[in-house]
Amino acid sequence: AQKVTQAQTEISVVEKEDVTLDCVYETRDTTYYLFWYKQPPSGELVFLIRRNSFDEQNEISGRYSWNFQKSTSSFNFTITASQVVDSAVYFCALILLDSGGGADGLTFGKGTHLIIQP
Amino acid sequence: NAGVTQTPKFQVLKTGQSMTLQCAQDMNHNSMYWYRQDPGMGLRLIYYSASEGTTDKGEVPNGYNVSRLNKREFSLRLESAAPSQTSVYFCASSEDKGTGGLWSGDEQYFGPGTRLTVT
Repeated sequence: AQKVTQAQTEISVVEKEDVTLDCVYETRDTTYYLFWYKQPPSGELVFLIRRNSFDEQNEISGRYSWNFQKSTSSFNFTITASQVVDSAVYFCALILLDSGGGADGLTFGKGTHLIIQP
Repeated sequence: NAGVTQTPKFQVLKTGQSMTLQCAQDMNHNSMYWYRQDPGMGLRLIYYSASEGTTDKGEVPNGYNVSRLNKREFSLRLESAAPSQTSVYFCASSEDKGTGGLWSGDEQYFGPGTRLTVT
């Protein structure tokens, strides 16, 4: 069975510091997608990025960047120059193709609570 | 577009009572999901429906039933609520089928959640 591990339960940094959230996944499948979601204090889940197993290119979007390394089964997320509004719980997740040709649901890590102090 | 809507937003049940959580999406998505979120546990998949007319168990299906009423709606039923089912429940949907019906692994769009307390 697949598994996603976010070893950092909580991280607290001062505003403007850079911070990296770690994500390690386990699966025997060769076709899968990885995701990051943000859950702010208001509770909704906000999609941040999706990456398929065949695309190891890193991605940068503004202050956010993601590093996908299949060799270490990791998909880490870095926030540069953090801001108070980045305070949230961040989830890494994995999805596999099921036998019927659809998706069998996301497997989530337990989340990292990021606190950005002013 | 309303996206994914869930009703109710909050609910308190007594042990043994039943209820149905409603979910609807207006994005014409093929796949729909139900998750529960418990403190320190992340989200866990209860049931999913890869397409209209099909449903499958996820990681934690015991105590729940689902119905994919049509392409838009996917309901979750608790037949006899237990305190262990106190949780926040999220419904989600995704396209998941790209060109030629191939799996596209699209992102899931989540509803606002239902906070359920069973006493």
